[in-house]
Amino acid sequence: DTAVSQTPKYLVTQMGNDKSIKCEQNLGHDTMYWYKQDSKKFLKIMFSYNNKELIINETVPNRFSPKSPDKAHLNLHINSLELGDSAVYFCASSRTVNQPQHFGDGTRLSIL
Amino acid sequence: GIQVEQSPPDLILQEGANSTLRCNFSDSVNNLQWFHQNPWGQLINLFYIPSGTKQNGRLSATTVATERYSLLYISSSQTTDSGVYFCAVDPAGYALNFGKGTSLLVTP
Repeated sequence: DTAVSQTPKYLVTQMGNDKSIKCEQNLGHDTMYWYKQDSKKFLKIMFSYNNKELIINETVPNRFSPKSPDKAHLNLHINSLELGDSAVYFCASSRTVNQPQHFGDGTRLSIL
Repeated sequence: GIQVEQSPPDLILQEGANSTLRCNFSDSVNNLQWFHQNPWGQLINLFYIPSGTKQNGRLSATTVATERYSLLYISSSQTTDSGVYFCAVDPAGYALNFGKGTSLLVTP
């Protein structure tokens, strides 16, 4: 059973398009996250949600909008995609804050 | 923000060798985790270790929180240990701050 699952695994699209990445966790966790890994493999937090409420938004452009319909899901919508958005996006979850985080397998986004 | 420095940045080992990876951080933390990113890009959770020592098979980790560093030991390395090892810390409980990683290559 996959604990944190992301779809799609790969996403290739044109500049200017709007796309979404879905994340679901079946661990019963209260806290979920989105991280971005750039081409140099540096990982950086984008958003943190606790009990469906946004608790961290790390200076991410407002073209990125997370949506949490329930505690098990945290989806990432990206509008007007730019070349610089090409990266691997990881979803993660933890039982609550200050607990170990478990990561999904990542979504590789490529902008043409 | 908190600084996380990992050393060495790159490491090449022959199969069977032992190694120690280091992570220094600039402030007190509530959470410290070690991850292995395998060649397929998956982030594998190795240890949750804000303090103390833990062992899991050939891997062990020690965090000395008062001195703001953590060590990851890999013994009898295997080719499947290759990949990038990340240290990540969370000072406030809401988000992990990652180091730049140690890229490990284990040769047969």
